[in-house]
Amino acid sequence: ETGVTQSPTHLIKTRGQQVTLRCSSQSGHNTVSWYQQALGQGPQFIFQYYREEENGRGNFPPRFSGLQFPNYSSELNVNALELDDSALYLCASSAGPGGPQHFGDGTRLSIL
Amino acid sequence: AQSVTQPDIHITVSEGASLELRCNYSYGATPYLFWYVQSPGQGLQLLLKYFSGDTLVQGIKGFEAEFKRSQSSFNLRKPSVHWSDAAEYFCAVGAMDDYKLSFGAGTTVTVRA
Repeated sequence: ETGVTQSPTHLIKTRGQQVTLRCSSQSGHNTVSWYQQALGQGPQFIFQYYREEENGRGNFPPRFSGLQFPNYSSELNVNALELDDSALYLCASSAGPGGPQHFGDGTRLSIL
Repeated sequence: AQSVTQPDIHITVSEGASLELRCNYSYGATPYLFWYVQSPGQGLQLLLKYFSGDTLVQGIKGFEAEFKRSQSSFNLRKPSVHWSDAAEYFCAVGAMDDYKLSFGAGTTVTVRA
């Protein structure tokens, strides 16, 4: 069984740039959720994708957007990067929107 | 709105001693409850989950948790801690018809020899 994989592992960007993070879901899972984890805090829900459509969204601005592909993999896009966007971005997949979520190792994004 | 409180920011325990991590939740409907563990630089690993039924649930790595509806609590326990249990532990709440997990701020566990 292949787990959740995320790429890249680390990324450094400057303010105002755009970034795309990628996630491959665990086999058999059709739902992907994205979380932002700032240093020393718990993960905060960004949004969830189910059947290639956004299924719910947390308190994040529209410059955070995403996609889900037919193979259930997903992308998180962030435009106009700000210093506060520096965080660990976690992807989780599940067998359905309410199923137990299994997390990848995350992408560490640093904004200079 | 759902929320999770983990009252203990940091716990230090001796190897071989017992461990209990506290979690209190606020949720309007029947909650699904989870405990995750995060080692430095890594993602979250699911330790155990409660959906319904028996209020004492067993998880991986020798952990267990007890759901107490009257106290809105879901405390995590381990009878004998190993040095490899040093990590950050997160409690989370969700629901079958909800799309998100709400996490607590986490408890850091340090294990001393």
